[in-house]
Amino acid sequence: GENVEQHPSTLSVQEGDSAVIKCTYSDSASNYFPWYKQELGKGPQLIIDIRSNVGEKKDQRIAVTLNKTAKHFSLHITETQPEDSAVYFCAALREYGNKLVFGAGTILRVKS
Amino acid sequence: EPEVTQTPSHQVTQMGQEVILRCVPISNHLYFYWYRQILGQKVEFLVSFYNNEISEKSEIFDDQFSVERPDGSNFTLKIRSTKLEDSAMYFCASSETFNYGYTFGSGTRLTVV
Repeated sequence: GENVEQHPSTLSVQEGDSAVIKCTYSDSASNYFPWYKQELGKGPQLIIDIRSNVGEKKDQRIAVTLNKTAKHFSLHITETQPEDSAVYFCAALREYGNKLVFGAGTILRVKS
Repeated sequence: EPEVTQTPSHQVTQMGQEVILRCVPISNHLYFYWYRQILGQKVEFLVSFYNNEISEKSEIFDDQFSVERPDGSNFTLKIRSTKLEDSAMYFCASSETFNYGYTFGSGTRLTVV
């Protein structure tokens, strides 16, 4: 079955710096890759996603890149702010499947 | 923005007791899911539900678990005889279309004592 590895497990950055979180997946049939932000006491909130027919997607300060050949995808947050501090999860979903497989999560701390 | 609503937010139960976790998915969504997250571990898929039947389930979702959509708005997860290892955060999710755009609820923290 699908396995998603996520790195790093924790990441501390200074306010205004960029943060990059990386994930790899194992199932070449996966074609949908969402990123979720989870704040304390809340459920995962979708922040950006990408399908395998595109290599990059951007939404204001957040971008996701996908390398299908290498089976990895990354989340990029620019100009980080204290409110970006949270746990970030990547996930993968195979074509014709409906089971999201999550990475282990990255605790992002933005220091002001 | 539409939300997935889960109740209760926290449930404490005795080992061996039955619990029902409740969810109200987004009204125009057709696909429903339960996931769980044991403290410090990954979010894990339990079950997906569409057209009033289970479409996929994980190996975690054994005979002790069941799901139901008793009316047009609620989606429930029942654990018949809880075990200590069932203690986790349970998340309900829904999506309008297949294979895309899941919205998660805030979760129910289940503590089995």
